[in-house]
Amino acid sequence: EPEVTQTPSHQVTQMGQEVILRCVPISNHLYFYWYRQILGQKVEFLVSFYNNEISEKSEIFDDQFSVERPDGSNFTLKIRSTKLEDSAMYFCASSGLAGSSHEQYFGPGTRLTVT
Amino acid sequence: AQSVTQLGSHVSVSEGALVLLRCNYSSSVPPYLFWYVQYPNQGLQLLLKYTSAATLVKGINGFEAEFKKSETSFHLTKPSAHMSDAAEYFCAVKYGTSYGKLTFGQGTILTVHP
Repeated sequence: EPEVTQTPSHQVTQMGQEVILRCVPISNHLYFYWYRQILGQKVEFLVSFYNNEISEKSEIFDDQFSVERPDGSNFTLKIRSTKLEDSAMYFCASSGLAGSSHEQYFGPGTRLTVT
Repeated sequence: AQSVTQLGSHVSVSEGALVLLRCNYSSSVPPYLFWYVQYPNQGLQLLLKYTSAATLVKGINGFEAEFKKSETSFHLTKPSAHMSDAAEYFCAVKYGTSYGKLTFGQGTILTVHP
């Protein structure tokens, strides 16, 4: 069964460093998303991406964040200068064609720890 | 603004007992509704979805949920809990287009006792 994959599973970085989180969405999906979950809090939407551009972004997704689909398979989230409060589990998700069912399929997540 | 409320951050049941996890949404426009499950150290797995077809939705692992517009609710139930159902459950809502964002509730941790 197709699934969303994410690497690495755990990333530890120092404050101020850049990190790139990687995702491989389901191959025939067209819409891509990043969410995050700070420990003990709810899952929060960060950004959605379609047709090589951002469709929607939350207020969390400031200039320190960027997304890219560098090739036909990967979808990345970059944090330019990490802060302590960026420590969270980051989930990538993808969904299919317009008019199809609305569910998003999630990857296993990357746990980011900023020290 | 769209929001989802899950009543009860922790629910504990005995094996074989009824599971009821509550979810209410706030909107005058019927949304698309989802329940996801998260097992320890794993990602979010879709249990079931409501997308304006039948109001009683059946999902995986014996779970089902009923959309009640008059109560703005989408509670998740399972007639008989199994030890393997122990996990965190998230209700989520989406409005509008098929590529819209999901808004999640705060999650309910389900514990199943032998």
